[in-house]
Amino acid sequence: AQKITQTQPGMFVQEKEAVTLDCTYDTSDPSYGLFWYKQPSSGEMIFLIYQGSYDQQNATEGRYSLNFQKARKSANLVISASQLGDSAMYFCAMREEGDDMRFGAGTRLTVKP
Amino acid sequence: EAQVTQNPRYLITVTGKKLTVTCSQNMNHEYMSWYRQDPGLGLRQIYYSMNVEVTDKGDVPEGYKVSRKEKRNFPLILESPSPNQTSLYFCASSLDGQETQYFGPGTRLLVL
Repeated sequence: AQKITQTQPGMFVQEKEAVTLDCTYDTSDPSYGLFWYKQPSSGEMIFLIYQGSYDQQNATEGRYSLNFQKARKSANLVISASQLGDSAMYFCAMREEGDDMRFGAGTRLTVKP
Repeated sequence: EAQVTQNPRYLITVTGKKLTVTCSQNMNHEYMSWYRQDPGLGLRQIYYSMNVEVTDKGDVPEGYKVSRKEKRNFPLILESPSPNQTSLYFCASSLDGQETQYFGPGTRLLVL
């Protein structure tokens, strides 16, 4: 069964607007971590943000925030004030305790000027 | 500078010709892993290593070998590459396997 689901293969956003990239996950483990990575066209994987399953507050890192809704098992990435350089593939990932990191299929974000 | 390095970055080879992709990290991380990335499938783990001389299979280990003789190095070996191993490969490391993983720049492999 798919552990991480990203339902949006592609998204468009206007420069300077906010955008939400969806991610839902499946686990019965109470302890897990959620990650978002950015992959620009150059190919490297860039870590953006992390949320632990026991964290009470939503994680934030600059313009990135993670909208963590534990009961719904969702971990959406919110990018505020989009920039042209935000155009990239974005991957959601989860690691359960003692298990491998599992990735979603990714969402390609295009920021329009 | 803390980093994960991979070599080569690009490789074209032919079916059956053994190859090795090297991976090295300078962060003293215990945990290292290899992934392959294919369109529509995201990243899938090939092998991982929790420490020196400890390696385990990930989701897609068939056709690959790894070794972890030193903490900093984790080479990926394709003994007899086949065209279905054409992919983008990433090496990654983290402090202990539970923390954030840091990725190398990727190796694009084409097997003819």
